[in-house]
Amino acid sequence: DAGITQSPRHKVTETGTPVTLRCHQTENHRYMYWYRQDPGHGLRLIHYSYGVKDTDKGEVSDGYSVSRSKTEDFLLTLESATSSQTSVYFCAIRPDTYNEQFFGPGTRLTVL
Amino acid sequence: GQQVMQIPQYQHVQEGEDFTTYCNSSTTLSNIQWYKQRPGGHPVFLIQLVKSGEVKKQKRLTFQFGEAKKNSSLHITATQTTDVGTYFCAGPWGAGSYQLTFGKGTKLSVIP
Repeated sequence: DAGITQSPRHKVTETGTPVTLRCHQTENHRYMYWYRQDPGHGLRLIHYSYGVKDTDKGEVSDGYSVSRSKTEDFLLTLESATSSQTSVYFCAIRPDTYNEQFFGPGTRLTVL
Repeated sequence: GQQVMQIPQYQHVQEGEDFTTYCNSSTTLSNIQWYKQRPGGHPVFLIQLVKSGEVKKQKRLTFQFGEAKKNSSLHITATQTTDVGTYFCAGPWGAGSYQLTFGKGTKLSVIP
């Protein structure tokens, strides 16, 4: 598996609290992605990054922000978590010269 | 935006039977990728198809890319319990094609 980790792996939080999920890679890849996966919806792109400090919105970006201050780390922040953000979150990386993406193990987030 | 439709959503087969999942895009694709996600796991890249009419095989798995590059299929011959999981197709979209649009997946159950 590609060198990609996510933390935490599981989190339970309350509505209205801020939450930050971390994705860390050891591959030095330029492209990094955050997805959420929900039953019946498949994988939906939240935000992605094409370099340090270079990020853009995906299909379901409302309520989420991201930051990438180092090549290896891509942070996803829920400023004020809502129950609709209960989901499994996957980070992915993509080699510069290939199209395929490699996924991290995921973070299961529950917002009560 | 681009849509990728995948059918069926679920498939239950007896071990040893064949299985096929179909993927259709609303737009012509430069390439199509297939991923597998085992229960409780993360999506894992299987293969990429690039050429019109391309057929690739991986042991019992056969992948096809349509002549118009708008559809694709994955066929598994003689399913085994190790084939259990959800199979996703994905196509690139967006400026520079850095993003992937995923189909909602076909969940395969294999009855031993």
